[in-house]
Order: sequence, then structure tokens, then C-alpha cells
Amino acid sequence: DADVTQTPRNRITKTGKRIMLECSQTKGHDRMYWYRQDPGLGLQLIYYSFDVKDINKGEISDGYSVSRQAQAKFSLSLESAIPNQTALYFCATSHGGRAYNEQFFGPGTRLTVL
Amino acid sequence: DQQVKQNSPSLSVQEGRISILNCDYTNSMFDYFLWYKKYPAEGPTFLISISSIKDKNEDGRFTVFLNKSAKHLSLHIVPSQPGDSAVYFCAAIGYGGSQGNLIFGKGTKLSVKP
Repeated sequence: DADVTQTPRNRITKTGKRIMLECSQTKGHDRMYWYRQDPGLGLQLIYYSFDVKDINKGEISDGYSVSRQAQAKFSLSLESAIPNQTALYFCATSHGGRAYNEQFFGPGTRLTVL
Repeated sequence: DQQVKQNSPSLSVQEGRISILNCDYTNSMFDYFLWYKKYPAEGPTFLISISSIKDKNEDGRFTVFLNKSAKHLSLHIVPSQPGDSAVYFCAAIGYGGSQGNLIFGKGTKLSVKP
């Protein structure tokens, strides 16, 4: 079984719709992240959470919100989807602390906003 | 302003030869560097890392070299295999202001031809 799972894997929606992407992990990590990947732009950080009570904005948080429901669950919402939010979205986790910088990624969600 | 730069979007290498992927960074506060590998339809997976107190780290066919004075690192794959064909992301981390989050380059697509 995968350590970091994302649902759905693919989603097509229309402009103005509210969308939620979900992420679950079984690694027991404290830290969770949401990234967006656009072609030729690498990975950009949307939001990150160092524990259940700690939520922080990343580089490109406008138009997005998150919820950390439990240590193992971190969801990303698009309140009113727009076409330029069409992208590949990745959730990642990492152990807290300076010695543990490696992040483990989920398989991604491909979102298309028409 | 890009803090981590991978200036070659793509690289093509013959099977059995050496692949060299390059990465430059601008933030002198970065003190830990990672390489991730990404296949289509999968999330990035951790490949190898290096601390700024070292100038070389080797793991099987993969070696990462760090030149701090030039703010440059490179990933060497020897010998290259067709299964190495993927997108490679360079990432950096440091406590320069982003609370230790990873900063990714845009990636280099490696194609290893049989």
C-alpha cells in the first residue's frame, strides 16, 4: 500500500466550482505539504502544515485553502476554480526536525478546469 | 526570482555513458541539497542528497557534487540506463527565511537512448 495517497487522481471541473483534493499518509509524519506543478515550472509550494494546529501559506496560496483534519490528513480546496488552476497537484510529507529534510510525495492529482 | 536554477530543460545520453545534470543556486543560506526523480504519472521520489559540509556524496550509480564557492551542484549517473529516463529536480533547503522548506528547480528531462 502507498504511504501517501491522493484522491481523486484525475478531476475535470468547470469554472466557479468548489473542488477539494484530499491527501492521506500512513508514514506518521508531522509535516504535510501541497505543491502545484505546471509544465516547465517545477514544483511550487501552495500551503504547508508542520502539525495539526500549524498552517502556513507557501509561494502561491491565493485562490486556495487547506484543512489539516488530523495528523494523517491534509486537504486542499479551490473555493471557486478558474482555468489557470489547471495543473498537477502533489501532496508530500516529511518528518519534523532539521535532520529529516526528505519529502515523500503522493502520486498526484491531475486537475483540469474548463 | 529563481533561487534554484536548472538551466537545461532536457538532456539526451546514450545508454552506458555518463549523464551530468546541473543545478545552480543563489541563496547562500541553503545548506542541504536534494535530487528527486519523477516518472510520468507518478510523484517525485527522493534520489540522493548532500549536506553543505560535504563536497561529494555517492550512492551506487549516482553521485552528487557540491561546489559551494560557485553555488553549483551536479548529479552524475554512471552508467546511464534507459530506466533512468525521467525528469530530475534539484531542491535546496536552508533557514534563510522559508522555515526550512524545499525550494525546487524547474527540472531537467533526461532521455537515455538504448
